[in-house]
Amino acid sequence: EVQLVESGGGLVKPGGSLRLSCAASGFTFSSYSMNWVRQAPGKGLEWVSSISSSSSYIYYADSVKGRFTISRDNAKNSLYLQMNSLRAEDTAVYYCAQDGGVATMIYWGQGTLVTVSS
Amino acid sequence: DIQMTQSPSSLSASVGDRVTITCQASQDISNYLNWYQQKPGKAPKLLIYDASNLETGVPSRFSGSGSGTDFTFTISSLQPEDIATYYCQQYDNLPFTFGGGTKVEIK
Repeated sequence: EVQLVESGGGLVKPGGSLRLSCAASGFTFSSYSMNWVRQAPGKGLEWVSSISSSSSYIYYADSVKGRFTISRDNAKNSLYLQMNSLRAEDTAVYYCAQDGGVATMIYWGQGTLVTVSS
Repeated sequence: DIQMTQSPSSLSASVGDRVTITCQASQDISNYLNWYQQKPGKAPKLLIYDASNLETGVPSRFSGSGSGTDFTFTISSLQPEDIATYYCQQYDNLPFTFGGGTKVEIK
């Protein structure tokens, strides 16, 4: 059974940093691209970032480019999102999602809430 | 960026009704479109990929059609467990963008 478990969310002040993790199991992690998608409270879904299976290709939404860094450790079956210079508008539930083929997100984690507030 | 416009933003229908949601892309995206279902407090779930292909395990009352800029998602016979918000998503071009969502409620 595919499982994706996010962690690392919490309350942070504007300008602060957080590192989200996503622990994957139940599939060959190193064979799949992965994504981060976020959802602000009461709002819709927003794609944040994607990383290919070998980390060769990395993409970001303009809203996070230069502030967020996606990475993965295939030996640890883990996906990461380093978030710096956080803003109030980054407040959201962050989901990691397995990519079944060009941003077709087949499996999702339960999400981790990031709140940016003073 | 490609804008995805979903309509309606919400709807109320009776059990057994046919429900149709539309999604319009701001430019031609061929069939590079997915549909997701999100129940309250839960993560999204992939229902339809490549505009019209049913994901494994998804009930056949769900279907999708369209290509180019105009797409349709249909529930042929609404069930109580279908109460959710539905999103379209394009993957033709970066950034991958979602529609604003359609909240489906039972009348």
